Amino acid sequence: GAVVSQHPSWVICKSGTSVKIECRSLDFQATTMFWYRQFPKQSLMLMATSNEGSKATYEQGVEKDKFLINHASLTLSTLTVTSAHPEDSSFYICSASYSGGTTEAFFGQGTRLTVV
Amino acid sequence: AQTVTQSQPEMSVQEAETVTLSCTYDTSENNYYLFWYKQPPSRQMILVIRQEAYKQQNATENRFSVNFQKAAKSFSLKISDSQLGDTAMYFCAFMNPFPLAAGNKLTFGGGTRVLVKP
Repeated sequence: GAVVSQHPSWVICKSGTSVKIECRSLDFQATTMFWYRQFPKQSLMLMATSNEGSKATYEQGVEKDKFLINHASLTLSTLTVTSAHPEDSSFYICSASYSGGTTEAFFGQGTRLTVV
Repeated sequence: AQTVTQSQPEMSVQEAETVTLSCTYDTSENNYYLFWYKQPPSRQMILVIRQEAYKQQNATENRFSVNFQKAAKSFSLKISDSQLGDTAMYFCAFMNPFPLAAGNKLTFGGGTRVLVKP
């Protein structure tokens, strides 16, 4: 299957700083990428959908100024958590898909963010 | 909006035995896809099995099979001959493939934790 690489796998940052998480499709062009947030022992909650070259579509309740998403190329999407606070600590997962017949979404390995 | 419900937070099964995970969903769509994903302790999401709603035949992948009841909006997963490596969180997921611009957006259930005991 197609490979999606997410970086970093884990990050610790201080309150008030910003942190960027990258999601790369390594062997296909991802027309759409999704960002999820997962709290411990809970399900994946969709934060936003990003299509290459256009603004991301955020789910209700997700602060777009807090979670900046950029999908500048067909192989890279980034999630920037701005002015991070301890409550932003979570596990963030990206997935990517491409148009053209497949219904499968390919997941990155996730990023554990800890804000101290 | 679609909703996906997994009513079993946790299940345990003896190695080599069979366990069935339940999933129900709510949608007004006629064409859609259903998935079961496995999330082991590494937290990497792994696709276990996929079902197209327009197909009546239940999907099977080795030891994993589903019981898809479209009218009842039910999509259960059966794990046969359970192995220790099957210990993981299992998520049922729904996807409406339209509009195309929405991509392969997934709606997940709350998950079922499966523990396989030796």
